[in-house]
Amino acid sequence: DVQLVESGGGLVQPGGSLRLSCVASGFIFSSYEMNWVRHSPGKGLEWISYISTSGDRIYYADLVKGRFFISRDNAKNSLYLQMNSLRDEDTAIYYCARDTMSAGVHFDFWGQGILVTVSS
Amino acid sequence: EIVLTQSPATLSLSPGERATLSCRASQSISSFLAWYQQRPGQAPRLLIYDAFNRAAGIPARFSGSGSGTDFTLTISSLEPDDFAIYYCQQRKSWPVTFGPGTTVDIK
Repeated sequence: DVQLVESGGGLVQPGGSLRLSCVASGFIFSSYEMNWVRHSPGKGLEWISYISTSGDRIYYADLVKGRFFISRDNAKNSLYLQMNSLRDEDTAIYYCARDTMSAGVHFDFWGQGILVTVSS
Repeated sequence: EIVLTQSPATLSLSPGERATLSCRASQSISSFLAWYQQRPGQAPRLLIYDAFNRAAGIPARFSGSGSGTDFTLTISSLEPDDFAIYYCQQRKSWPVTFGPGTTVDIK
């Protein structure tokens, strides 16, 4: 079965940093493009970042550009999100999400999500 | 950025009734639209991709239609598990964007 398991969330002060990890299993991780998407009650779902299979193409939402950095390690079946200069409005549940193989940037599998709380 | 608008914001229906949800894009997105269901405390689940293709394991009561700027998700006969929030999402251009969601609740 396909599984995506996030970790690394928690409580952090404004201006702080966190690194989220997502470990994949049940599929050939290196063959799939991956994303981070977040959900907060006031804002709904927000796409955050995309990375291609080899990591040579990366995109970010404007609201995190320059602060968040996506990466992957195909040997470890892992996706990462380095989050710096965190703000109150970054508080959300963060999901790693897999692109569909046949239909590009639609998300066919999601992790269970990890809560990030930014507060002093 | 392509803005997606969903209507209605809330749809109150009874089990067995038909649900019709709309998603409108601020510019043409061809057929590059997906629909997701999110139940409380759960991750979103892909229902429909590229406007009308059902994802693996999705029951036939879910169907999608539309192209260009106007799209519809139809649930032919609501079952208890279908009361949830539904989001549309476009992949026509970066940044990928989601609609604000439609809540389908029990009347």
